[in-house]
Amino acid sequence: EAGVTQFPSHSVIEKGQTVTLRCDPISGHDNLYWYRRVMGKEIKFLLHFVKESKQDESGMPNNRFLAERTGGTYSTLKVQPAELEDSGVYFCASSQELGFDEQFFGPGTRLTVL
Amino acid sequence: GENVEQHPSTLSVQEGDSAVIKCTYSDSASNYFPWYKQELGKRPQLIIDIRSNVGEKKDQRIAVTLNKTAKHFSLHITETQPEDSAVYFCAAIHGSSNTGKLIFGQGTTLQVKP
Repeated sequence: EAGVTQFPSHSVIEKGQTVTLRCDPISGHDNLYWYRRVMGKEIKFLLHFVKESKQDESGMPNNRFLAERTGGTYSTLKVQPAELEDSGVYFCASSQELGFDEQFFGPGTRLTVL
Repeated sequence: GENVEQHPSTLSVQEGDSAVIKCTYSDSASNYFPWYKQELGKRPQLIIDIRSNVGEKKDQRIAVTLNKTAKHFSLHITETQPEDSAVYFCAAIHGSSNTGKLIFGQGTTLQVKP
C-alpha cells in the first residue's frame, strides 16, 4: 500500500511569490490534515479535511494560506504571497477514522522563503 | 490555550541504557496520546499510542505511561540501540475523539551512542 505522498520535497522561493504544495493521502482515507514545523519547534496543526469539506481550519495562520481538496482526494496548500516566516516543513497526514485512528504522515515539503 | 510541553529537548544515552521522555498537556478532555518517531530525512511514524482509559502500554522495548490526574505522560525506551536515534514527538488529541487535531510537543532529539 502506497503511503502519503507530498510534492515537491523542497521549494525555495522569494518573498512575495506564490507556492503550491500538494498532498496525496492514502487511498480511502477520508481524513486529511496539514501540519507545519517551523525551525526546530513543535509540529503545529493547520487544518483538517473530511473528504472535500474543511472540518477544522483553526490552525491556518492567516488568509495568505488557502487549502483545497476538490473531489475529496488529493489536497493543495497555496501560500500567496509568501513571507519569510512561512519557511518550514509542511507535513500532510491522513487517517481512515477520527480520534483514536493513526494519522499517517507524508515525508513533508521543506519550504524556504528568501 | 491548548498546548503540550515536552522535555528534555535533547537526550544523549549510551547504548543499552534507558531513555525517558516526558510530556504534559493542558486540555483535560484529551483522551488519546500518540508518540511519533522521526528519523533524519524521513517522515514521522507512529511508534506507540495510549488511550485515557489505560495507565500503561508496552510494545517490546517501548512503553508509555499516562497519569490523567496530573495530565502527564511519558515514553520509556529500554536497552537503547543506535537505531533508536531520532527525534521523538509526543502529542495529545485536541478535545475528545470526535476530532483529529493533534497538539504536538516540541520534540526530543535522542542520540544513542554506541
